[in-house]
Amino acid sequence: RKEVEQDPGPFNVPEGATVAFNCTYSNSASQSFFWYRQDCRKEPKLLMSVYSSGNEDGRFTAQLNRASQYISLLIRDSKLSDSATYLCVVNGRRGQNFVFGPGTRLSVLP
Amino acid sequence: GAVVSQHPSRVICKSGTSVKIECRSLDFQATTMFWYRQFPKQSLMLMATSNEGSKATYEQGVEKDKFLINHASLTLSTLTVTSAHPEDSSFYICSARANRDGYTFGSGTRLTVV
Repeated sequence: RKEVEQDPGPFNVPEGATVAFNCTYSNSASQSFFWYRQDCRKEPKLLMSVYSSGNEDGRFTAQLNRASQYISLLIRDSKLSDSATYLCVVNGRRGQNFVFGPGTRLSVLP
Repeated sequence: GAVVSQHPSRVICKSGTSVKIECRSLDFQATTMFWYRQFPKQSLMLMATSNEGSKATYEQGVEKDKFLINHASLTLSTLTVTSAHPEDSSFYICSARANRDGYTFGSGTRLTVV
């Protein structure tokens, strides 16, 4: 089983739609969780950290379920500019390193 | 915010030559720098962890003699792809943790070996 798995995608949604991405991780000792966004041929950029209590930043909401080893990202009122690949990032088995999920590509269509 | 400067952004080289990629932390000290590689339509894969003043730690399957890492100061880590071959063509990117809220990435280097 891979350390971090994500919805395979791609997700093609109309503007204004709500879309949710899921991510599962295998290392139960993981403590740090992040969602990154990567535009085509660019470096990944931190979208938000994921906290145990869940957190919201504008149209973006991240949730963590430690029992199920599951993280989610919800995007409300999708914009064209949200089109990108969304990467789930989790502590690796050695603790110090971080493992990136394969990413889920989102295309928001006019 | 924390910035990692990576150069060059793009390089085309001939098979058999070596290419050096630099990553500098501009406003913080990076005792640890991570080097990733990303092939088209694939995820970022950790190649090695670079530690200031000591040997890098390589991931399984990454040849340390081919991908030379030097982290001689708290603000500079370099990755040298030696005797590059077309299969080494990829997007190489470094990152460092400047604070508790995730990692900062360099802008990446697109290497094409012809």
